[in-house]
Amino acid sequence: DAGVIQSPRHEVTEMGQEVTLRCKPISGHDYLFWYRQTMMRGLELLIYFNNNVPIDDSGMPEDRFSAKMPNASFSTLKIQPSEPRDSAVYFCASSLMSSTDTQYFGPGTRLTVL
Amino acid sequence: AQKITQTQPGMFVQEKEAVTLDCTYDTSDQSYGLFWYKQPSSGEMIFLIYQGSYDEQNATEGRYSLNFQKARKSANLVISASHLGDSAMYFCAMREGPGAGSYQLTFGKGTKLSVIP
Repeated sequence: DAGVIQSPRHEVTEMGQEVTLRCKPISGHDYLFWYRQTMMRGLELLIYFNNNVPIDDSGMPEDRFSAKMPNASFSTLKIQPSEPRDSAVYFCASSLMSSTDTQYFGPGTRLTVL
Repeated sequence: AQKITQTQPGMFVQEKEAVTLDCTYDTSDQSYGLFWYKQPSSGEMIFLIYQGSYDEQNATEGRYSLNFQKARKSANLVISASHLGDSAMYFCAMREGPGAGSYQLTFGKGTKLSVIP
């Protein structure tokens, strides 16, 4: 079975530009998560969805960040406008509601904002 | 206070030897889950093993086992017979709550394991 798919794998952009990161969760999974990983702060949960509905966005750093999940097989994380401090690896993960709730991660998108 | 503490920023182990990576956690929940993930230099996060707070047996998955000591709030990862491909960052994580839709997953800062030939 295909795992979590993320695109692009690498993104380099200039400050002020809009950035859109994409994620396709594992088929049948009903939870989707967006994480950000930096050296300073480690892995941080930004937002998660259940059945396409945002449940907790308290980790979203500021209004420049937004996330959507228009259907069960697709989610986007958008940064507008981007800033150099947004440079990080962004992971998408998905899981199936169960007693373990194990989250399976995508390969990540390495974002560099110049 | 940190919820997940990994006290070893880096560790070295000889190939074919066993190694233990430490993880302690802090929660007041009775029901919770503990996870270990591996992050090789290529960057992906790979799920390794899960331990539930009510599981009586220590979890095992192939060469990975979890040494779960509930009273001490520790969940150490043991890798037996290390090989070069085990060189990576290892993250301990905790989900508080009984599962079946309970989140937040909180990660430790990780331990970088280097396997020496």
